[in-house]
Amino acid sequence: SQQGEEDPQALSIQEGENATMNCSYKTSINNLQWYRQNSGRGLVHLILIRSNEREKHSGRLRVTLDTSKKSSSLLITASRAADTASYFCATGPHAGNNRKLIWGLGTSLAVNP
Amino acid sequence: GAGVSQSPSNKVTEKGKDVELRCDPISGHTALYWYRQRLGQGLEFLIYFQGNSAPDKSGLPSDRFSAERTGESVSTLTIQRTQQEDSAVYLCASSLQTVMVEKLFFGSGTQLSVL
Repeated sequence: SQQGEEDPQALSIQEGENATMNCSYKTSINNLQWYRQNSGRGLVHLILIRSNEREKHSGRLRVTLDTSKKSSSLLITASRAADTASYFCATGPHAGNNRKLIWGLGTSLAVNP
Repeated sequence: GAGVSQSPSNKVTEKGKDVELRCDPISGHTALYWYRQRLGQGLEFLIYFQGNSAPDKSGLPSDRFSAERTGESVSTLTIQRTQQEDSAVYLCASSLQTVMVEKLFFGSGTQLSVL
């Protein structure tokens, strides 16, 4: 199975509700990042959390990291229709000084007005 | 430039033809990545360039795929004898390469359609 697996695969909520997405990984990491992708094109970096951090905030985004469970969550509060996108987690680096990020398959979020 | 630029934005080609995709990274970014993304899927790593070091080509799916980068500037991804299975969005990203991986800046991608 994939390193950096997001769940749920798809999420549909109403505007104003909170959206929570999760990411699990298998090997030790130095950092974990979340990205957003609109309309299947370029990705935009949202937030990076390092392995020695447990929680990070950026505007309406809140990311947590639990290295003991090898998982992270992304919370979007007070969602808006413009938050509709796919969200990916990426972990790195990994054993062997490999600097390639490992990507999950993404969560598709639909925020209904 | 202000951001990562990819061209063309869309490319339609016939099976068996060669295609060349171009990526202009952000000035000063030493690391450059190529990814492939099939419809509804995650990102598939293809190749990684870091400065003047030998590129990491471990993600290239076949010898029909090749990529070049001159120094820390433009990169081209070439697909020879295209197949229908090559249809996907090809994404380029660059980053300031420090000791550890930092955030990536992505281009808008090239949508490749092989008929």
